[in-house]
Amino acid sequence: DIQMTQSPSTLSASVGDRVTITCRASQSISSWLAWYQQKPGKAPNLLIYKASSLESGVPSRFSGSGSGTEFTLTISSLQPDDFATYYCQQYNSYPITFGQGTRLEIK
Amino acid sequence: QVQLQESGPGLVKPSETLSLTCTVSRGSISPYYWSWIRQPPGKGLEWIGYIYSSGSTNYNPSLKTRVTISIDTSKKQFSLKLSSVTAADTAVYYCARSYSSSWCGDFNYWGQGTLVTVSS
Repeated sequence: DIQMTQSPSTLSASVGDRVTITCRASQSISSWLAWYQQKPGKAPNLLIYKASSLESGVPSRFSGSGSGTEFTLTISSLQPDDFATYYCQQYNSYPITFGQGTRLEIK
Repeated sequence: QVQLQESGPGLVKPSETLSLTCTVSRGSISPYYWSWIRQPPGKGLEWIGYIYSSGSTNYNPSLKTRVTISIDTSKKQFSLKLSSVTAADTAVYYCARSYSSSWCGDFNYWGQGTLVTVSS
């Protein structure tokens, strides 16, 4: 299985901050990476697919980059609605695997 | 806008079989990949497996011996059966659809999730 490791596990930030979450794969996954946002009691919401493609309806302050084994999700200017948990997920090979999550909390 | 809705018992006894159904509305069930994903309380996400609208399947090896996913395209439903459950199978179970009809992976449609508790 491909292991996905996110860092940090918890991130404290303020409204207006620029934040970056990193996701590393245990082997190359090309650009087959997705990012999700999950709020308590809700299903995950797709933000980014194929490492850098913005899902329709997702605000442009979200962006993704990377390929191979290292990827980043950047939020350019945090909004109050962005405080949530973020997961990366690889779909280069089966089984599909997720990172352990990064909790973004208000400083 | 495609909608997915999970249904099934919220409580299952240890050693029994967990059965859930996902109903697809406002969209076609073909030709897409349909997955089950679960999340234990307070923990991360685990992909269980997929079924393609043609009926082909792929399961997570960690669950493969206990999992069966099936599909009924006429009813626009697909189902999950997980046998010999233990407390470790307690989780919110989600059904989800992949973005593309060509691969399984980026899930852009999700059900609301249903909590299944394994307890006697």
